[in-house]
Amino acid sequence: DADVTQTPRNRITKTGKRIMLECSQTKGHDRMYWYRQDPGLGLRLIYYSFDVKDINKGEISDGYSVSRQAQAKFSLSLESAIPNQTALYFCATSDDTMGTGVAFFGQGTRLTVV
Amino acid sequence: KQEVTQIPAALSVPEGENLVLNCSFTDSAIYNLQWFRQDPGKGLTSLLLIQSSQREQTSGRLNASLDKSSGRSTLYIAASQPGDSATYLCAVDNYGQNFVFGPGTRLSVLP
Repeated sequence: DADVTQTPRNRITKTGKRIMLECSQTKGHDRMYWYRQDPGLGLRLIYYSFDVKDINKGEISDGYSVSRQAQAKFSLSLESAIPNQTALYFCATSDDTMGTGVAFFGQGTRLTVV
Repeated sequence: KQEVTQIPAALSVPEGENLVLNCSFTDSAIYNLQWFRQDPGKGLTSLLLIQSSQREQTSGRLNASLDKSSGRSTLYIAASQPGDSATYLCAVDNYGQNFVFGPGTRLSVLP
């Protein structure tokens, strides 16, 4: 099994729908992240969490929310999807040791909002 | 605000060539820098991590260097192979909180 698993891998949804992307990890890491990737813009941080009770906004959190249900699970929700949220979404984890935090990424969720 | 840039945006080389990818960042107060590989439509795989106290890291044909004071890192790939074709991204930790990524260099190694 993959260290970081994202579901679904692909999703097409309609404008205005609520959608949840899920992420689970087996690395035992405390830190989890959600990024989106757009052509020409690279990866941009949406939200991150250092433990179950910690949630932090990233660069582009508007229109998104997250839930850290357990150390191993971090889900991203789009409350009312819009077409410019069409992108490739990645979940990542890292350990919390400063300077040695190798990041591990899921395979991504390709979301299309029509 | 930390910003990361990468040059070139794309690179095409014949098999066997040695090549250098460049990464620059604006704030030198980093804990580490990582180089990642991304295949089309796939996730990112960490290749090398350089801690702020280190100058370079090596893994096989890959060598990454870090010059914190000038805000630069290079990824050197020796004896390139077609299987090296991918997008290479660098990322710096953002005050130990998260990672800031560059836009990537798309590499094509021609047989």
